[in-house]
Order: sequence, then structure tokens, then C-alpha cells
Amino acid sequence: EVQLVESGGGLVQPGGSLRLSCAASGFAFSGYWMHWVRQAPGGGLMWVSRMNTDGRITTYADSVKGRFTISRDNAKNTVYLQMNSLRVEDTAVYYCARTGLHCTGGSCYLDYWGQGTLVTVSS
Amino acid sequence: DIVMTQSPDSLAVSLGERATINCKTGQSVLFSSNNKNYLAWYQQKPGQPPKLLIYWASTRESGVPDRFSGSGSGTDFTLTISSLQAEDVAVYYCQQYYNAPYTFGQGTQLEIK
Repeated sequence: EVQLVESGGGLVQPGGSLRLSCAASGFAFSGYWMHWVRQAPGGGLMWVSRMNTDGRITTYADSVKGRFTISRDNAKNTVYLQMNSLRVEDTAVYYCARTGLHCTGGSCYLDYWGQGTLVTVSS
Repeated sequence: DIVMTQSPDSLAVSLGERATINCKTGQSVLFSSNNKNYLAWYQQKPGQPPKLLIYWASTRESGVPDRFSGSGSGTDFTLTISSLQAEDVAVYYCQQYYNAPYTFGQGTQLEIK
């Protein structure tokens, strides 16, 4: 069974940092691009970042570029999101998600999602 | 960025009736080399992550009931629920994965009339 479990969320002051983790199981993690998507309280979905299978290709939304860094450890079946210089508007539930089975690159739908971890940026 | 516009923002449909949600993309998401539309539909219930329903605009994900169908091409897409069930109450999102950033529509809240 495919499982994605996020952790690392919490309350942080503006300007602070957090590192989110997403532990994957039930599939060949190293063969899949991985994404982060966030959802502000009561709001819609916003795509944040993606990383290819070996970690060499990354893409970010403009609103987080230069502040957030996605990375992965294929030996640990884990993808990370390092978030620096956090802003109040970064407050959201952060989901990690896997690219779909029938894709050959990063431009793909997301077929499995974790339950999410809440990040609250507030003074 | 590709702008995604869903309509309506909310929809109330009687049990057993048809529900239709529209999604318009700011530019075509049809990739000419493989003739595929890079458009997905997701369902999100309160307190849960999104669930994939439809990909490539019209391919139903495994395990999704066949009352859910997707159609459209280029810039105009539709999610149809042929006979609304109580468990279909949710917010529905379309997403383009043609170009990063992979933008989502604003969501459509579906309720029972």
C-alpha cells in the first residue's frame, strides 16, 4: 500500500525556518518525481515545488523561490522541504504527493497524497 | 503561469441528478506530440487530502466510480457526475500539469439540494 507521511510542521515566527519531511513507503520511491502542494486555511490548493528522481532537477513556484528548497534521500525514501524566511502568508497545510504511474517525466498528475502537516507562521 | 478558472464556485444538485463542473485554462494544455491534455480532476472532502479522480482529462483513476467522467480538450474541460450520491459532497479542483507551476482551479463546492 502506498503511504506518504508528512511531519515537521508547527508554529514558527515570521522570518523563521522549518524543515518538512515526507516518508514514503509501499512503492519504489527512487523511481518517482515528488511534489509539495500547500493549502491555506479555508483556501484552495497551490503547487509549491517538485523534484526529479535523482534530485538533480527542481522547480518552484515564484512565491517560494529562493526561500524554499526541496531535496530527497532515496536511501531513506524521504523527500524534504526546507522553508526559510517564512512569511505569514506561508501558513498552510503542506502535502507531499507522488507523480502518477503513467508518466515519464515531471509533468504529471498526482496520484497519491499524504495527510499533510500544518505550518503556522505567526508572531 | 496558466490561469485556471472553474465554474461555478458552488453547486447544489439533488441526489440522483447530474452535476457538471467546468474548468477553463488560460492556454491550451493539449500537447501536440502525444495528443494528450495535461489536465486532472481531484476531489477533496473536509479534513482529507485531495483524491485523484481523472487524469489526461478523461482517464478515470483506478477505483473511481464510473459515474465520474471527464471530457474536453485544449482549453475547456468538464467533470460530470452522472448520478449524484451523498458521498460525492466535496470540493472539486482541476489542475493543469502542462507547464510548471502546475496551477489549480479555485475549487467548486458541491452540495446536495
